[in-house]
Amino acid sequence: LAKTTQPISMDSYEGQEVNITCSHNNIATNDYITWYQQFPSQGPRFIIQGYKTKVTNEVASLFIPADRKSSTLSLPRVSLSDTAVYYCLVEGRGSTLGRLYFGRGTQLTVWP
Amino acid sequence: ETGVTQTPRHLVMGMTNKKSLKCEQHLGHNAMYWYKQSAKKPLELMFVYSLEERVENNSVPSRFSPECPNSSHLFLHLHTLQPEDSALYLCASSQEFGEAYQPQHFGDGTRLSIL
Repeated sequence: LAKTTQPISMDSYEGQEVNITCSHNNIATNDYITWYQQFPSQGPRFIIQGYKTKVTNEVASLFIPADRKSSTLSLPRVSLSDTAVYYCLVEGRGSTLGRLYFGRGTQLTVWP
Repeated sequence: ETGVTQTPRHLVMGMTNKKSLKCEQHLGHNAMYWYKQSAKKPLELMFVYSLEERVENNSVPSRFSPECPNSSHLFLHLHTLQPEDSALYLCASSQEFGEAYQPQHFGDGTRLSIL
């Protein structure tokens, strides 16, 4: 089972870059890595997804090394509104159908 | 607005009551999911439906009974619940189940409290 491990909490200041790393040592060949953001009293929201190397969108970057045993979510120049819980999800595709493993999440707190 | 609507947002019930949670999506998705989120545990996948057929059941107690009458609606029927069942129950949908690049769209959940 592709369990994930990520830091329980992180603190940052406005304007800084934040990197959150997730470990998934047992990731399968067909698994993708997805990150979600969750605010209190709301459901998780999709941030970014990748399979290998680097993926970038308008809100974040995702770095995945060649062995795919970890991934790093990078949030550039965070603001107070980025304070939230961030989840790393290893999601099975194809032959690993149905393997959806959320980590415990990382509580990111951004200070003024 | 996420496209996935859950009702009610809050529910308080006794252990002998029977209630149902409702989830509705108008995104044209074919897969729907129920998750349980407790305060000190990871998000737990409970059930997955694909094209109205159940494809995943992660050893969930029988006091939770899902129903998917069509691809837009998902229910979770509750009966004889225990205090440890108090949690946030989240519904999600995705275009297909098990296909590449299919992020899930979550509702904002039902906060369930068992007295």
